[in-house]
Order: sequence, then C-alpha cells, then structure tokens
Amino acid sequence: SQTIHQWPATLVQPVGSPLSLECTVEGTSNPNLYWYRQAAGRGLQLLFYSVGIGQISSEVPQNLSASRPQDRQFILSSKKLLLSDSGFYLCAWTSPTNRTNSPLHFGNGTRLTVT
Amino acid sequence: DQQVKQNSPSLSVQEGRISILNCDYTNSMFDYFLWYKKYPAEGPTFLISISSIKDKNEDGRFTVFLNKSAKHLSLHIVPSQPGDSAVYFCAGRSGGFKTIFGAGTRLFVKA
Repeated sequence: SQTIHQWPATLVQPVGSPLSLECTVEGTSNPNLYWYRQAAGRGLQLLFYSVGIGQISSEVPQNLSASRPQDRQFILSSKKLLLSDSGFYLCAWTSPTNRTNSPLHFGNGTRLTVT
Repeated sequence: DQQVKQNSPSLSVQEGRISILNCDYTNSMFDYFLWYKKYPAEGPTFLISISSIKDKNEDGRFTVFLNKSAKHLSLHIVPSQPGDSAVYFCAGRSGGFKTIFGAGTRLFVKA
C-alpha cells in the first residue's frame, strides 16, 4: 500500500531564517506531488505541483520554492522566511494513471510558526 | 478569485440526524469533485467524489449530490455521528492535475 511521510510535524523558525520541509511517498512510482498551505481560517491553497523529477509548477508568487530531486521526494524551501509564511503545510500525491479521477492523498502536515 | 465556495463556516447537528454541507463553484471546467474530512493537526482524508457526468454518488452514510446547472454540490451524512465532527472541505478539479479547495465547514455533531 502507498504511504506518504512528511516532516517535521511542527517547526518554529525566526523571520529571515531558511526553511526546508521534506515529503516522501512510498509504494507508488511517478506520482503527481503537491504542496498545499492552510492559513488560519482559510482553505487549502495549492502552492506547487509536480508531474515528474525536476518538473515544478508554481501556482502563486511567493517567498517559497519547491524541488523534486527524486521520483518520490518533494521538498519545500525558502531562503528567508517571512511572518506571513506561517501556516499548516501539507504534502499530497495522486496516482499517475487515470489522473482525472485519482483523489489526493495527504500527509499529516507541518505546522510552521515564524516568529 | 474563489473558484470553490463553502459559505457556511460551521454547522451543528444532533446525533442521528442528517448533516447537509453545501458547496458552490464558479469554474465550469471542473470535471471532478471531491469531499475531504479533516481533524485538527492532521492531513485531510478523502471521503467521496463525483464525476461531473453524474448527479449523485453514494458510499455508506455519505452521499454527494451535484447540480451542474446551479454549480452546486452538497454532502449528506445520514445518520450523523459524534465522530463525524470535523472540518469538511469541498474541492473541484479540471484537467487532472490541480485540485482547488473551498474554505471548509466545521461540523459539530452533538450527542
């Protein structure tokens, strides 16, 4: 069966510090990978998605970047965090086959607080 | 531009009764709709979905209805149980890659 791992679970970082959140998927090959953010009182905002190694699509201009160095690894980064980067970050994957009808499967998320 | 709207931030229902969660969308290109359930400090879990070519899909206590002409869908939970208390997200997808979520509705099921 497929599993998705996301870490760390919580993170407190000062403004201006770098960020690296990692996500890995097991039990599937060539998944579509996604980063979402849930800000306080808001829905899930799509930040990045990837359909293959090195292929990243950005949905919103922001202080963050994403990379996919391996097939089942997705990394969210920032060189200098802003207060507005605080939120709950979620990694997700979908099956590469029958893409239209494949639901998103989420990790347990990372609670990021920028102080 | 909010493509998916859940206008009720919260809903309170008595145990055993029906819970009806509503969702409206503006993107006519959505061809697939999904409902997710989320507990605090956890990732959302997939509940049920519906293709745009259907108007109803049922899975146990959960039924999703789609009204394409009104660009409206709803999730019915019957009977509601205390364990159903969570935040429910509605989502739409077009083109297979991007899933757009609403702001969520917090459901409280009272025992």
